[in-house]
Amino acid sequence: QQQVKQSPQSLIVQKGGISIINCAYENTAFDYFPWYQQFPGKGPALLIAIRPDVSEKKEGRFTISFNKSAKQFSLHIMDSQPGDSATYFCAARSDTSGTYKYIFGTGTRLKVLA
Amino acid sequence: SAVISQKPSRDICQRGTSLTIQCQVDSQVTMMFWYRQQPGQSLTLIATANQGSEATYESGFVIDKFPISRPNLTFSTLTVSNMSPEDSSIYLCSVERGQGAFFGQGTRLTVV
Repeated sequence: QQQVKQSPQSLIVQKGGISIINCAYENTAFDYFPWYQQFPGKGPALLIAIRPDVSEKKEGRFTISFNKSAKQFSLHIMDSQPGDSATYFCAARSDTSGTYKYIFGTGTRLKVLA
Repeated sequence: SAVISQKPSRDICQRGTSLTIQCQVDSQVTMMFWYRQQPGQSLTLIATANQGSEATYESGFVIDKFPISRPNLTFSTLTVSNMSPEDSSIYLCSVERGQGAFFGQGTRLTVV
């Protein structure tokens, strides 16, 4: 119930294309859903996040779509660029006795071809 | 956001030895978090460190193996004790800023 399932494991997209990464969760107590971008040798960096009372959030080329009834959310990267090549993690946050804890998806390795 | 500095950034250690990883945050925080990221894998929470109290460990992680100190509101250390090759991972320090968790650059540990 604490898992966050992420797919696909890897993704190859042409420059200018749309990258789509999907995540699903079971625990309805999760209250916040961030996405992280990680480059090799770096720590994960917060990319964009959404709360469950919102169905979509857009920041630049990055959009989160959230389907509360299906317990699914996805990251869309529009006009994908070679610089977007990285590993992306979805996450879900719960509040455990006043402490925020995150469960991370298994990651998607994105490669954008020039 | 948050500025989180970790030291060392990487190390190669002999099995049976211990390594202490330091984490410095740019402002005071109540809780600091330590994660492990095994090669090519996702992030797993090791423990939560509160200033002035014992760290809280997640299932599968124990204090004898991963002792944590939290001497003040901007600093924490994680020690990986009696290391084996299975401990080769990236260890990450994290803080919560309301809009999400923020991470240091990580410590890449290789145990030989």
